[in-house]
Amino acid sequence: NFMLTQPHSVSGSPGKTVTISCTRSRGSIDTTFVQWYQQRPGSVPITVIYEDDQRPSGVPDRFSGSIDSSSNSASLTISGLMTEDEADYYCQSYDSSNLVVFGGGTKLTVL
Amino acid sequence: QGQLQESGPGLVKPSETLTLTCTLSFGSVNTAAYYWSWVRQPPGKGLEWIGHVYNSGSPNYNYNPSLKSRVSISVDTSKNEFSLRVTSVTTADTAVYYCARVRLRLGNLAGFDSWGQGTLVTVSS
Repeated sequence: NFMLTQPHSVSGSPGKTVTISCTRSRGSIDTTFVQWYQQRPGSVPITVIYEDDQRPSGVPDRFSGSIDSSSNSASLTISGLMTEDEADYYCQSYDSSNLVVFGGGTKLTVL
Repeated sequence: QGQLQESGPGLVKPSETLTLTCTLSFGSVNTAAYYWSWVRQPPGKGLEWIGHVYNSGSPNYNYNPSLKSRVSISVDTSKNEFSLRVTSVTTADTAVYYCARVRLRLGNLAGFDSWGQGTLVTVSS
C-alpha cells in the first residue's frame, strides 16, 4: 500500500492564496483519482474537489485541484482566502486493489 | 435529512464487539453505481478508512489491512442497510464512525459523495 503525506498545517491571510500538497509515497499519483475534503470542527467532511480537479456544484471556484506527476503529488489551492475556509483538509485516493487511503489532514488557519 | 444514517450503541466495553448499522433513506444498497463504506475519526485525529462493500449481485468486500483481522461488513438488502462489526474493541477504537457512499465513474472509484452524520462510539468500562 502507499501513504499520502500532507503538511500538518498551513496558514494565510484573508484574500491571499494557499496551497496544500498531498504526496503519494509509492505508485503514480495519476493512477487513481484524488479527492479533497473539507471538515470544519464538529461537522461531516464535504467534498471540495473530486476526480483530481473537479469541483462539486456549490463549491466556490476559489477552490481548485491539480496533479503533478513530476513530484508525484496532488495540490489543493484556495484563492481569495476567507475566514470560513478555516478547517481541516484531507486528500484521499485509492490503491490498485480499491483500498481507500486518506492523507493525515492539514489544518488551515486564516490569520 | 441525509441519505445515510448510522445507528448503534454509544458506549461499548473493552473486549466486546461493536456493531453499527447504516440505513439508506432513499436509493438502494443493491446497486452497481456505488460502494458502501465505513470511515472513523478518533477524537482530535484524522479520518481512517475501515472498509467497504460493493453490492452488485454478490457482495465484494475490502478492508483496511490494519483493521482487517477485527472488522467485517455485511449487507442486508431486504432492510436496505449495511453494517459494521468490530471485535475485541479497545479504547483506541473510540471514534466518530461514519458510513459513506463512494461513487464510481467509468468503473473507477471516484470519491465519497455522501456521508452519514456520524455516531460517536466510546469504548470504556
